[in-house]
Parts: sequence; C-alpha cells; structure tokens
Amino acid sequence: NIVMTQSPKSMSISVGDRVTMNCKASQNVYNNIAWYQQKPGQSPKLLIYYASNRYNGVPDRFTGSGYGTDFTLTINSVQAEDAAFYYCQRIYNSLMYTFGAGTKLELK
Amino acid sequence: EVQLVESGGGLVQPGRSLKLSCLASGFTFSNYGMNWIRQAPGKGLEWVASISSSSSYIYYADTVKGRFTISRDNAKNTLYLQMTSLRSEDTALYYCARPLTGSHWFAYWGQGTLVTVSS
Repeated sequence: NIVMTQSPKSMSISVGDRVTMNCKASQNVYNNIAWYQQKPGQSPKLLIYYASNRYNGVPDRFTGSGYGTDFTLTINSVQAEDAAFYYCQRIYNSLMYTFGAGTKLELK
Repeated sequence: EVQLVESGGGLVQPGRSLKLSCLASGFTFSNYGMNWIRQAPGKGLEWVASISSSSSYIYYADTVKGRFTISRDNAKNTLYLQMTSLRSEDTALYYCARPLTGSHWFAYWGQGTLVTVSS
C-alpha cells in the first residue's frame, strides 16, 4: 500500500514569501497526483492535477512539480487568502485514491 | 453550473445504519464516475468509495469495505452511500465529488453532510 507523506505538517510565513511544500510517495506513482486547497469551513478545491497541470481559474502563483515519488507545490508571492490546508492525493487502480495528511499554511 | 448537494446525515447510534444521498445538477450525471470522501472533525481527507458512470466498477477504502455500499440512480441524478454497522470512527463530514471531465481528479465537491456516531 503506497503511503503519501506530506511535509512540513505546518508552516507560518509572511505575505509575499515563496512557499514550498512536499508530498512523497512510498513507491513510484508516476505523475498521478493532485493538490487540493481547503480553507476552514469550506470544501476542498482542486489546484493541480497530474502533478503539474493548473486547474481552471487557479492563480499562476501556484505551481506543481515532480514525478515518480517526490512532488512539490510551490506558491510564489503568497497572499493572505492562501492561508489554508493543502492536501496531495494519488490515484491508483483507476478509481481508488489516497490523500496525504495535509500541510497547514498560516500567515504571520 | 455544477451542483452537488448531500443530505441524510445526522446523529446515529453505534451499530446502526444510515443512508446518505448526493443530488447532482448542472451536468449529465450518467456520464461521470462519482465519489464519496469524508473528513473527521479536525482531521484530513479520507477517500471512502467510488463508482463508475454505469455502476460497473465500484471501489471502497479498506476502512469501510463490507460495511458501506455506494450506488447511484442515473434517472434521479443521485448518488448514495448506505452505511451499516456504524462506528464512532465513522463520525465525519461526508462529501460527494465529481471528477474533472476526462480525468479522475475531484474538480467539484458538495458542501458535505455531517454524520455523528454516538450513543
């Protein structure tokens, strides 16, 4: 069973900073991962799919990268509205999924 | 506009059953596989179950296999989750989600329905 490990668990940064968060798979998942953003009291929102494709309407300050076992979500020039939880997700067997435990992004 | 509206949540005793519904609108429901995802209070996301567009393929997380049943009625544009033998650890906000066209990633989510399992 492939485990998705996100790091760090939380981070506190300032508006305008560049943020990098990671998602590591215990085995090769190729590019079969997505990233979601969830703000308090809201449903998750798709940000990135197939590791590096930005979903419609997602600001271009959000960038996904990686292949195989190591993946990164980068937010350039973080804005106040980016404070949220971020989850990576992998797909396997076409219709089965695993989420990472999440990274909490707080603004100073 | 794609809309997914979950219902059926509530307070239920351990060991009892509950059936959730997700009413879809704004797209051709029968063309899409659908999914249930849950989130325990203060915790992360957990995928629960998936069903293909014609119900030919159904998958469950190990944590619910044998207790939960996902189904759909394409004529009623509705997704279901029948939950039996409920446990306290099933307490969560249950979301239904639709994938992005042409892929399997969850582009559309409902607002969720809360299930609380407690005596």
